[in-house]
Amino acid sequence: DVKVTQSSRYLVKRTGEKVFLECVQDMDHENMFWYRQDPGLGLRLIYFSYDVKMKEKGDIPEGYSVSREKKERFSLILESASTNQTSMYLCASSLTPGQARSEQYFGPGTRLTVT
Amino acid sequence: SQKIEQNSEALNIQEGKTATLTCNYTNYSPAYLQWYRQDPGRGPVFLLLIRENEKEKRKERLKVTFDTTLKQSLFHITASQPADSATYLCALSYNKLIFGAGTRLAVHP
Repeated sequence: DVKVTQSSRYLVKRTGEKVFLECVQDMDHENMFWYRQDPGLGLRLIYFSYDVKMKEKGDIPEGYSVSREKKERFSLILESASTNQTSMYLCASSLTPGQARSEQYFGPGTRLTVT
Repeated sequence: SQKIEQNSEALNIQEGKTATLTCNYTNYSPAYLQWYRQDPGRGPVFLLLIRENEKEKRKERLKVTFDTTLKQSLFHITASQPADSATYLCALSYNKLIFGAGTRLAVHP
């Protein structure tokens, strides 16, 4: 079974702090994704990566950056956390090239609160 | 831009009945449509994928239909059980996945 793990289930940070969210997958998947999920809005794509050291902006990249130094690891960075970044953050991975026809495997999520 | 509509109100049904969830979208039809299940405090879990040239897909008690004329997908759970209670998300596949906000299903004994 594919396993996607995220470094923290719950995180509380102060406004202005730099925040790192880590995601690791163990199935050699090419693609990795970061989403945030807010009530009533569904999952919104922040960034994704098709390969090591490659990254692409999603729909809401502002205030975030990412890093993919190894195939299995994809990090989301909040450069200066703000209260409107309080959310559930979900990491996902998929095998086949391109997003369209490949199911995604999600981690358990990190609930981030910025105070 | 593409919009996806899933009923925001929870669906409450009796155990043993068939649950039917709806996913409507605007604009052009996706090449693929996916359904996921999400339990509280957890990440979504993939259930089924249906292609635009498929009318129907089944997996055990689950059935998905895809009507590109109506721009609608229906997700059915037959012989529903309390363990089926969860939020169900549809996702449209273009060059990326676009997720709906989900519909919460509550199956009562």
